[in-house]
Amino acid sequence: QVQLQESGPGLVKPSQTLSLTCTVSGGSVSSGDYHWSWIRQAPGKGLEWIGNIFNSGSTYYNPSLKSRVTISIDTSKNQFSLKLTSVTAADTALYYCIRDSQKAAALDPWGQGALVTVSS
Amino acid sequence: AIQMTQSPSSLSASVGDRVTITCRASQGVRNDLGWYQQKPGKAPQLLVYAASSLQSGVPSRFSGSGSGTDFTLTISSLQPEDFATYYCLQEYNYPYTFGQGTKLEIK
Repeated sequence: QVQLQESGPGLVKPSQTLSLTCTVSGGSVSSGDYHWSWIRQAPGKGLEWIGNIFNSGSTYYNPSLKSRVTISIDTSKNQFSLKLTSVTAADTALYYCIRDSQKAAALDPWGQGALVTVSS
Repeated sequence: AIQMTQSPSSLSASVGDRVTITCRASQGVRNDLGWYQQKPGKAPQLLVYAASSLQSGVPSRFSGSGSGTDFTLTISSLQPEDFATYYCLQEYNYPYTFGQGTKLEIK
């Protein structure tokens, strides 16, 4: 059973870089059947897709965040990561990492989420 | 970006009711659409993928239909544990986009 777990600082100062890591257990980030996504949810708001990465290292980002986002993958550690630069209070959110099927529109499973607060 | 419009944004219903939530895409997304359920304080969970395929372990009272621009999620007989917020998500092209959510509340 595949499980995903986000980790990283829960508090980031404005203008600094948010960094989160997703550790995958019970499956491999090298699998060609899946790609790996980040989604966030501001408090009391809906879901926003941030971007994803394939095992090849190819990435796709939401244009609304593209200039600030980097997603990377570390197959040796079975992890993928998110970096978001120049954060503001608007980036305060629950950040989820998820596995996405290559064959169908299916984001599953989800990590439990990591709350990141941007505040001085 | 493709806009996904969900309706209604909120809905009050009773246990045993049949409920339908719709999602309309601003352009065709084939069947590259999923439905997700989110309960308070929890991560969303996949209910339906590829528009009409029920995810393993999801009760059969949930069903999805549609293709192209118009999609529906139906709950045939509401159970107490179904009161939650539901989202659609298109994965036809980038950026992936969610509907704004439908909050299903107890009447």
